[in-house]
Amino acid sequence: DAGVIQSPRHEVTEMGQEVTLRCKPISGHNSLFWYRQTMMRGLELLIYFNNNVPIDDSGMPEDRFSAKMPNASFSTLKIQPSEPRDSAVYFCASSFGRGPGSPLHFGNGTRLTVT
Amino acid sequence: GQQLNQSPQSMFIQEGEDVSMNCTSSSIFNTWLWYKQEPGEGPVLLIALYKAGELTSNGRLTAQFGITRKDSFLNISASIPSDVGIYFCAGPPNTGNQFYFGTGTSLTVIP
Repeated sequence: DAGVIQSPRHEVTEMGQEVTLRCKPISGHNSLFWYRQTMMRGLELLIYFNNNVPIDDSGMPEDRFSAKMPNASFSTLKIQPSEPRDSAVYFCASSFGRGPGSPLHFGNGTRLTVT
Repeated sequence: GQQLNQSPQSMFIQEGEDVSMNCTSSSIFNTWLWYKQEPGEGPVLLIALYKAGELTSNGRLTAQFGITRKDSFLNISASIPSDVGIYFCAGPPNTGNQFYFGTGTSLTVIP
């Protein structure tokens, strides 16, 4: 069973550059979530989609962050321009079901370092 | 935003000991989930709880959905070195669709 697949696993970039993180959810799951994890703030929900439609993006830090889900099997999180404070591990997760209690299944994350 | 507080923040125990940790929220939850995260990996679901008072086991792990619906507990019996990791509680509050995660409990098992 393929789980949630994220790429790249590691990304190192310079301040000001554009960064694109990718996610392939588990086949058949209809909700997709982007989280950011840091030591200071723990796991923070950035945005989530249901049936490819963004439902809540209130966690997106600022306009430099954008997320898309063009189809049920692919999503991207873009940061432009990137800043050192964006350094974190970004996780994608997916779930099946309409209810908010459907368990999330996480990918292994993308560790982003912005210098 | 929603706050989920976990305690203890960290634990150092001897192999074979039992472990208890808990999670409290400022509002009522309909679902409680417990996850484990190992270094370099994403959180992995351990146990899901859907009803107040529910007690569910998964091997040596047992979790309970608190009667007040504002807390949950996770116990690990007879700990082993591979139990090492960070344990997170999570769930959506009664209102809203967001999943919130707790602050985590870091577990170290000394062989």
